[in-house]
Amino acid sequence: EPEVTQTPSHQVTQMGQEVILRCVPISNHLYFYWYRQILGQKVEFLVSFYNNEISEKSEIFDDQFSVERPDGSNFTLKIRSTKLEDSAMYFCASAGMDQPQHFGDGTRLSIL
Amino acid sequence: KNEVEQSPQNLTAQEGEFITINCSYSVGISALHWLQQHPGGGIVSLFMLSSGKKKHGRLIATINIQEKHSSLHITASHPRDSAVYICAVRTSYDKVIFGPGTSLSVIP
Repeated sequence: EPEVTQTPSHQVTQMGQEVILRCVPISNHLYFYWYRQILGQKVEFLVSFYNNEISEKSEIFDDQFSVERPDGSNFTLKIRSTKLEDSAMYFCASAGMDQPQHFGDGTRLSIL
Repeated sequence: KNEVEQSPQNLTAQEGEFITINCSYSVGISALHWLQQHPGGGIVSLFMLSSGKKKHGRLIATINIQEKHSSLHITASHPRDSAVYICAVRTSYDKVIFGPGTSLSVIP
């Protein structure tokens, strides 16, 4: 069964540095999402993406964050000038039209 | 007030028991998801509903759009069902709002 792939599984970065989290969605999916989960808290929506543009974003998704689908297969989340509070598990998900979302295994981001 | 609420927050059941987890929401939705998050952190989609009822194996999900309420039922519960169950709603603008999750522990 096709699956959503996220890399790396764990990223450790110094505060203030930029990170790029990568996701390869399922190939025929059209809708893409990024979520985060701070340790011990609920999952939070960051952004949804369709037809090469952002559909919706949360208040968390400020100018520090950006998303791209650079080559038609990868879907990336860039976090500029990382802060300690950006430490979390980041999940990517993709979905077909009117279909359930498929989640990647997540990237654990640790900011030191 | 949270836009998506779940009850109970924690649930311990004996193996074989029938389990119900409830979700209520206060926003307009295009679909409701039931998700399962394992202790290792991975998230699996169980159901996506926009009306009525769906069944998959021992799992049943129902939704009442008028009452803005959904339930997830697990029949003949098993220790491998132990996980966090999350209700999430998708709005018309493709924003997804998550509930706080229900932590289920099934004891042999």
